[in-house]
Amino acid sequence: TQLLEQSPQFLSIQEGENLTVYCNSSSVFSSLQWYRQEPGEGPVLLVTVVTGGEVKKLKRLTFQFGDARKDSSLHITAAQPGDTGLYLCAGEGGSYIPTFGRGTSLIVHP
Amino acid sequence: NAGVMQNPRHLVRRRGQEARLRCSPMKGHSHVYWYRQLPEEGLKFMVYLQKENIIDESGMPKERFSAEFPKEGPSILRIQQVVRGDSAAYFCASSPLPGTGSRTQTNTEAFFGQGTRLTVV
Repeated sequence: TQLLEQSPQFLSIQEGENLTVYCNSSSVFSSLQWYRQEPGEGPVLLVTVVTGGEVKKLKRLTFQFGDARKDSSLHITAAQPGDTGLYLCAGEGGSYIPTFGRGTSLIVHP
Repeated sequence: NAGVMQNPRHLVRRRGQEARLRCSPMKGHSHVYWYRQLPEEGLKFMVYLQKENIIDESGMPKERFSAEFPKEGPSILRIQQVVRGDSAAYFCASSPLPGTGSRTQTNTEAFFGQGTRLTVV
């Protein structure tokens, strides 16, 4: 079983601050996805990273895949209240079944 | 809207009743996953299906739970004789055939529905 550990579990910050959340595993993944989930809704796909060392940017969000494809990070610049939500990472290692971490719950206060 | 559709959004069942959760995948997607989510927890894999086949059901309890994805119609997750511990949010996700499209061979992107919140009273 491939396990994904996400940290921190909870994060409460003020609008305008920067933050980084992490997704780590001892397993190698063929691809890794980041999702954001809002209360009462399903997860929404933000990005997929595939190549070791890959960096992708989505407006104020920067995603990085580790060189060894075992870990990933999500950095948010100048966080806004609209960024509030549960951030989930999911990895797939050849079984075609995405395995999810427990998520980082982010609250951005106005 | 061509997204993943789940119904009902909310379902209340008494202990011992049956719960049927439906999922229509995105157009063109032939693979469906079911996940279960409890508060403060991530998504726990239950079952992975393609049309008329169960590919992996290792995350699904062997008793009372079953899933199908018929040739025609939505995927169904059935829970028989529900108990209070079955209360949770159940999410369905769909994916195109792995290795197709513009993605690499082993890239799997899953697109989720809004979930069914099951409450057992």
